[in-house]
Amino acid sequence: QVQLVESGGGVVQPGGSLRLSCVASGFTISDSGLHWVRQAPGKGLEWVAFIRYVENNKDYLDSVKGRFTISRDISKNTLFLQMNSLRVEDTAMYYCAKEEYRAFHYWGQGTLVTVSS
Amino acid sequence: DIQMTQSPSSVSASVGDRVTITCRASQGISSWLAWYQQKAGKAPKLLISVVSSLQSGVPSRFRGSGSGTEFNLTISGLQPEDFATYYCQQANSVPFTFGPGTKVDL
Repeated sequence: QVQLVESGGGVVQPGGSLRLSCVASGFTISDSGLHWVRQAPGKGLEWVAFIRYVENNKDYLDSVKGRFTISRDISKNTLFLQMNSLRVEDTAMYYCAKEEYRAFHYWGQGTLVTVSS
Repeated sequence: DIQMTQSPSSVSASVGDRVTITCRASQGISSWLAWYQQKAGKAPKLLISVVSSLQSGVPSRFRGSGSGTEFNLTISGLQPEDFATYYCQQANSVPFTFGPGTKVDL
């Protein structure tokens, strides 16, 4: 069955970096669209980034463009989110999600990123 | 960017009630509208995709409808496990925006 497991969250100072990972099982990530979605504490859901099928089909939320990079390692069936120049407003639970027919059918349990001095 | 709004922002209901949540898009999104349920401390769960396609395992008391820019999620015969927050989401164009959520509670 499809499973997504995120890791890599933690506490980081403003301006710092983190790399999130999402290990996928039950499917091949090269055949799928994968997304990162975040949720600030007590707030709603916010789409962050996607990577679909071919490696250069990526896009980002405007507020993270130039700071975040989505990538994948097909050999490890793993999705990544490299987050640089982190801001307090990036504090959130980060989920990876698998897209099918433009809906997020499967979600991981999330990994918490806290940006604080 | 396409803006998504939801009404009401919260609703108090009882077991057995019928609840309707409305989601509006700032421009046409074709049929790329999904609904998610989220319970406290859990990841969202997909209920309905492409406006009205009920996901496997989701009870038939959940129904999606609408077109163009206005969409509804109706829960007929609310059950105790349905008390949660519900989000709509458009996937017509990037960024794939979510509505602000509707909390259904007792």
